[in-house]
Amino acid sequence: NAGVTQTPKFQVLKTGQSMTLQCAQDMNHNSMYWYRQDPGMGLRLIYYSASEGTTDKGEVPNGYNVSRLNKREFSLRLESAAPSQTSVYFCASRKSPGLSGNTIYFGEGSWLTVV
Amino acid sequence: GNSVTQMEGPVTLSEEAFLTINCTYTATGYPSLFWYVQYPGEGLQLLLKATKADDKGSNKGFEATYRKETTSFHLEKGSVQVSDSAVYFCALSADAMKTSYDKVIFGPGTSLSVIP
Repeated sequence: NAGVTQTPKFQVLKTGQSMTLQCAQDMNHNSMYWYRQDPGMGLRLIYYSASEGTTDKGEVPNGYNVSRLNKREFSLRLESAAPSQTSVYFCASRKSPGLSGNTIYFGEGSWLTVV
Repeated sequence: GNSVTQMEGPVTLSEEAFLTINCTYTATGYPSLFWYVQYPGEGLQLLLKATKADDKGSNKGFEATYRKETTSFHLEKGSVQVSDSAVYFCALSADAMKTSYDKVIFGPGTSLSVIP
């Protein structure tokens, strides 16, 4: 059982380049999330998708776009990378919106460096 | 709005010492509470959870009790091991009965190092 799979695991970008982080889950979950993790800042929500076909902004959406391609896949795109976007990115999913007891499952993370 | 506050550490303990990591929250209604653990180079894993007041979550020797009167969910372990070295995150999920807002809020994380 793969759970939440995200790619790539490591990436170095030059300022101004674009890239897409891919995420897929095989647990038939409705809700999916993208977080970034920075030293001293904990986890901050970038975007989330409560169900297929819907997306909403989290705490730090500027500079990012997302696509909920289907129920399994939720991608995060950096259109013009900036050094401030150097971070570790985590994709996550859980069964349904509004059922607050459900566990969130995380991918293993993507380490992104923008130079 | 909802928020989670936890001691940031780093916390350094000797093996077999008692561990407490404090977590308090602010929320309307009846949120669910979680502790997640992140080992070096890995994603976050659920450690334990509690979905209503006075519930006690437990796993791998760790425990936390949902205290609504003090809005707290402190993590404890009686005897830590070197393998417990990790970052621990307290988290809150909004009350499903009060809102359809689908968001989980994490504390800043507490780094724990256990030395032999």
